Amino acid sequence: RKEVEQDPGPFNVPEGATVAFNCTYSNSASQSFFWYRQDCRKEPKLLMSVYSSGNEDGRFTAQLNRASQYISLLIRDSKLSDSATYLCVVIGSNDYKLSFGAGTTVTVRA
Amino acid sequence: GAGVSQSPSNKVTEKGKDVELRCDPISGHTALYWYRQSLGQGLEFLIYFQGNSAPDKSGLPSDRFSAERTGGSVSTLTIQRTQQEDSAVYLCASSLAGEGLDTEAFFGQGTRLTVV
Repeated sequence: RKEVEQDPGPFNVPEGATVAFNCTYSNSASQSFFWYRQDCRKEPKLLMSVYSSGNEDGRFTAQLNRASQYISLLIRDSKLSDSATYLCVVIGSNDYKLSFGAGTTVTVRA
Repeated sequence: GAGVSQSPSNKVTEKGKDVELRCDPISGHTALYWYRQSLGQGLEFLIYFQGNSAPDKSGLPSDRFSAERTGGSVSTLTIQRTQQEDSAVYLCASSLAGEGLDTEAFFGQGTRLTVV
């Protein structure tokens, strides 16, 4: 089983729609979680950290469900500029290694 | 510099030649990661350094690949006898070690390797 798994998508949504997707992780002792964004032919960049109680950053909401071992990302009022691949990242509790999911592709259409 | 620096940004090499890719992490970051990404594909983990040691090098695809890190800073990824399937973007990232919300990884802009 992979350490971090994501639905690859693609999620094709119209502007203004809400889109949400999850990422599951295998190590129950994992402590830190992040969402990264990667644009075509660019390096990944941090979108937001994921707090235990869930957190929002503008139109983006991240949630953590420890019992079911997944994190989620919700994008409200989608913009064309939200089109990207979203990568889930989990930090292990033993060696602090970052593990990346394969990414979820989101395409927002006009 | 303030960010992760990789060099060269582009490298074209002939099949069978050796190449060295360099990564300068953010100062003070003890963790360093190498990934590669083929066009349209996800990140493929190669190796993880904590200081100068590599607790996880399980992602190196063959013994033609090796990496080292000296002085807890600069890292070099070496590919010997390059093959066409080695063509990809090689990404380096660094982070502070440990748990917590300030341990996110910062990526360099990558080295685009083309083996002809």
